Amino acid sequence: NAGVTQTPKFQVLKTGQSMTLQCAQDMNHEYMSWYRQDPGMGLRLIHYSVGAGITDQGEVPNGYNVSRSTTEDFPLRLLSAAPSQTSVYFCASSWNQGVNTEAFFGQGTRLTVV
Amino acid sequence: DQQVKQNSPSLSVQEGRISILNCDYTNSMFDYFLWYKKYPAEGPTFLISISSIKDKNEDGRFTVFLNKSAKHLSLHIVPSQPGDSAVYFCAARGNNRLAFGKGNQVVVIP
Repeated sequence: NAGVTQTPKFQVLKTGQSMTLQCAQDMNHEYMSWYRQDPGMGLRLIHYSVGAGITDQGEVPNGYNVSRSTTEDFPLRLLSAAPSQTSVYFCASSWNQGVNTEAFFGQGTRLTVV
Repeated sequence: DQQVKQNSPSLSVQEGRISILNCDYTNSMFDYFLWYKKYPAEGPTFLISISSIKDKNEDGRFTVFLNKSAKHLSLHIVPSQPGDSAVYFCAARGNNRLAFGKGNQVVVIP
């Protein structure tokens, strides 16, 4: 039972490069989301999805794209990396946000943009 | 504009004593509140939650109290154990989202 799996665990990018952070869950959860964690800032919501084919912006969406073609996968794309995107990224999933269920988090991806 | 606030970024407590973490929120539409625990280099893990229709929820050593009129909740850990040393995040749900506080670092001294 893998839960929420994020790849890669670590990544270094040059400014202007693009990449995709992968997130997969095997719990058949409807709701998935991406957060970034910065020192002194807590967890901030980037994008979320309430089901396959449906995505919406969170608190800090600029510079990131998402898609949800399947229930299991919710990749996060950085189109043109900037040093301000240096952060730890967490993917989370839950049954949905309409009932009292908790979110399960992946182990995180530590991204450095130089 | 932070909707969930955790002050007192760090807390040190003796093993066996009580740890109390506080959280304030500004959005009266939040209907569900959660606490997460995070160890270094790991993702947050769910600890305990409370619905807005309740004022207390207890799970073993962990109790969460909610004061809706004050828009305040607290997490009590008793007795504290060295394995409780971690960062604790308060979170509130509303409008299809979870809003998180900045976290509190707890250090339990053996």
